[in-house]
Amino acid sequence: QKEVEQNSGPLSVPEGAIASLNCTYSDRGSQSFFWYRQYSGKSPELIMFIYSNGDKEDGRFTAQLNKASQYVSLLIRDSQPSDSATYLCAVSDGWYRDDKIIFGKGTRLHILP
Amino acid sequence: NAGVTQTPKFQVLKTGQSMTLQCAQDMNHNSMYWYRQDPGMGLRLIYYSASEGTTDKGEVPNGYNVSRLNKREFSLRLESAAPSQTSVYFCASSEEARTSGRSYNEQFFGPGTRLTVL
Repeated sequence: QKEVEQNSGPLSVPEGAIASLNCTYSDRGSQSFFWYRQYSGKSPELIMFIYSNGDKEDGRFTAQLNKASQYVSLLIRDSQPSDSATYLCAVSDGWYRDDKIIFGKGTRLHILP
Repeated sequence: NAGVTQTPKFQVLKTGQSMTLQCAQDMNHNSMYWYRQDPGMGLRLIYYSASEGTTDKGEVPNGYNVSRLNKREFSLRLESAAPSQTSVYFCASSEEARTSGRSYNEQFFGPGTRLTVL
């Protein structure tokens, strides 16, 4: 059974600080890694995709991947109250368009004004 | 361009009743999915359809059936609802996106259906 593990939180971070969200996965053959953001009562939306070891930056968001440690993280710089949401880590073992994605249970992030 | 739409938004059923959740997408995507999301459980795949005319089981298919009516529509049916099926149901569709020469599965989600089975 492939698993994606996340700390459920809540993770409370002061406004303007860096929020760090972590995720581990069990399948060493995993190839594609995603971070989705889900506001309360809303549907998930993709915010980051990463597939190679190292960092990928997009605005205030940085995804980090370490395949040897089977570890993915998401850093949010200059955290804003609008970043308060649940962040879902997701993993797939391929990169084909029909590939299935396994989701973690999500980490609730609360940005303190 | 409405994206992925789902009906109904809310539904209350009694144990043993049946119902169909509807999903449609206007993005011309080949792949469509049904997930359920329970508190503390994340998203779990029920069924998916890689293309019109094909469907496959996901992680938690028991108690559900699906129909890929055409490229746009993918419905989920509960034949005899049980309290364990109380959940939020999300439909999604996907396209093959590319970044730095690498393709990946980008999924777009509908707004969800909140189902309660009494």
